[in-house]
Amino acid sequence: QKEVEQNSGPLSVPEGAIASLNCTYSDRGSQSFFWYRQYSGKSPELIMFIYSNGDKEDGRFTAQLNKASQYVSLLIRDSQPSDSATYLCAVNTGGFKTIFGAGTRLFVKA
Amino acid sequence: NAGVTQTPKFQVLKTGQSMTLQCAQDMNHNSMYWYRQDPGMGLRLIYYSASEGTTDKGEVPNGYNVSRLNKREFSLRLESAAPSQTSVYFCASSEVKWEQYFGPGTRLTVT
Repeated sequence: QKEVEQNSGPLSVPEGAIASLNCTYSDRGSQSFFWYRQYSGKSPELIMFIYSNGDKEDGRFTAQLNKASQYVSLLIRDSQPSDSATYLCAVNTGGFKTIFGAGTRLFVKA
Repeated sequence: NAGVTQTPKFQVLKTGQSMTLQCAQDMNHNSMYWYRQDPGMGLRLIYYSASEGTTDKGEVPNGYNVSRLNKREFSLRLESAAPSQTSVYFCASSEVKWEQYFGPGTRLTVT
């Protein structure tokens, strides 16, 4: 059974701080890794993807991938109250099936 | 450019009733997907269509059927609804490296 694990949270950070969201996955053959943001009552929105080991930065967001440790993380710098949402980690092993974690709820306090 | 659209947004069914959820995308994507999302659980894949004319089972296909009507449209049918099918249903499409784009969802309650 392929699994993607996330801490459900809530993770609470003050405005302006760095939020660190973590995800582990079980399938060593996984090839593509994604972070989706989901506001309450809304659909998931793709915010980052990473395919290679290392860091990938896009604005305030940095995705980090460590395939040896089967670990993916998302850093949000200068967190804003508008970043308060559930963040879903998703992993694809090369076919059409992507496995989603249950998500981590982030709360940014103003 | 509307992206992925879904109808209806909300639906209440009685046990045993049937219904079809509609999904359309205007991004010219080849692949389309149906997921369900339940509290405390990740998105679970019901069915997917890798390309026009093909459909395959996902993780939780029991109780559902799908039709890939053309490249734009992918429908999900519940033949005999059960309370266990109460959920939020999302349609998604993708083209590049499995980056998926989601519709707004259908909130279904089966009583």
